[in-house]
Amino acid sequence: SQTIHQWPATLVQPVGSPLSLECTVEGTSNPNLYWYRQAAGRGLQLLFYSVGIGQISSEVPQNLSASRPQDRQFILSSKKLLLSDSGFYLCAWSLVGGYTFGSGTRLTVV
Amino acid sequence: GIQVEQSPPDLILQEGANSTLRCNFSDSVNNLQWFHQNPWGQLINLFYIPSGTKQNGRLSATTVATERYSLLYISSSQTTDSGVYFCAVQPGGYQKVTFGIGTKLQVIP
Repeated sequence: SQTIHQWPATLVQPVGSPLSLECTVEGTSNPNLYWYRQAAGRGLQLLFYSVGIGQISSEVPQNLSASRPQDRQFILSSKKLLLSDSGFYLCAWSLVGGYTFGSGTRLTVV
Repeated sequence: GIQVEQSPPDLILQEGANSTLRCNFSDSVNNLQWFHQNPWGQLINLFYIPSGTKQNGRLSATTVATERYSLLYISSSQTTDSGVYFCAVQPGGYQKVTFGIGTKLQVIP
């Protein structure tokens, strides 16, 4: 069966520090992968999506970047975090039949 | 882009009560999902339901694609049903999914 792993679960980082969040998928090949952010309140904002290795589409220009070095690995990065980067970050994958989300990373930038 | 509206935005239920959550969307869709986000933030897929009706225990969902809405029914609600319920739609021909803002449900004992 397919599973998605996301880590760390929580992270507290100072302003200006770098960021690397990792997401891996097991049990499937060539999935579409996504990074979402959920800020205070309820909305889910699509940040990046990838349909294959090295293929990244950005939805919102911002302080973040994404990479897909392997088929089932999706990384969210920042060179210098801002206070506004705080939020709940969710990785998701899809093939046919909808999305499956990871457990999320709660990032607090202080 | 496609618009997704969920109602009500907030709902408080007495344990054991039934409820209906609604999702309206502005254009035709290939895919529609209902998610439950628990108090720990985990998004759980409830139904993948681009059309028709499905049931899973106390939950059921109906999507009428021609009329551009979907309904999520919760029967005999329990405190563990609390959280935010999201509707997410995927327009035909695209991979990106648009989420509604959710319905925040609180079930009180």
